[in-house]
Amino acid sequence: EDQVTQSPEALRLQEGESSSLNCSYTVSGLRGLFWYRQDPGKGPEFLFTLYSAGEEKEKERLKATLTKKESFLHITAPKPEDSATYLCAVLRFGNEKLTFGTGTRLTIIP
Amino acid sequence: NAGVTQTPKFQVLKTGQSMTLQCAQDMNHEYMSWYRQDPGMGLRLIHYSVGAGITDQGEVPNGYNVSRSTTEDFPLRLLSAAPSQTSVYFCASRGKGPAYNSPLHFGNGTRLTVT
Repeated sequence: EDQVTQSPEALRLQEGESSSLNCSYTVSGLRGLFWYRQDPGKGPEFLFTLYSAGEEKEKERLKATLTKKESFLHITAPKPEDSATYLCAVLRFGNEKLTFGTGTRLTIIP
Repeated sequence: NAGVTQTPKFQVLKTGQSMTLQCAQDMNHEYMSWYRQDPGMGLRLIHYSVGAGITDQGEVPNGYNVSRSTTEDFPLRLLSAAPSQTSVYFCASRGKGPAYNSPLHFGNGTRLTVT
């Protein structure tokens, strides 16, 4: 059974204080790892897909990286508008259904 | 483009009542799906459809029915609501091609409370 564990559950940072969110996964044959951002009262919004270990993708202050066991979402010099819950999901080879983690709730304090 | 539209945004039901959660997308997506989101749990797939006339069960299908008569619409029916169905429900769609290459687009959810 595919498993996704995200840590920490919640993270409070000062504006400008860089940090990383972790997504550990167990899947037999990773086809893709997805990061989504979810604002309160809204649906998840797609950020990145990573396909193989060593891959990196960037968008503004966010950079996602992937190893064979985990993915990190690095946030550099965050701003209050980066406050959201960040969700990670995995897709196994031969499967069309995502397995989601429970998310990390990120709060950036001005 | 409105994307994925869900109605209603909020709903309160009594145990045993039935209702339909509406979902419509204007992106001509073949694949549509329903998820529920509960505290401390990841999004869980209820039902999905790969095209008009085709539906299949996800991880937690019990107590829910779906049908897909058009490409645009994918309603979710609760036949006899139970308190365990209190949750936030999200509809999501994606375009043609395999799942790894076509990320999901989500609606803004329906918050359902069953008393």
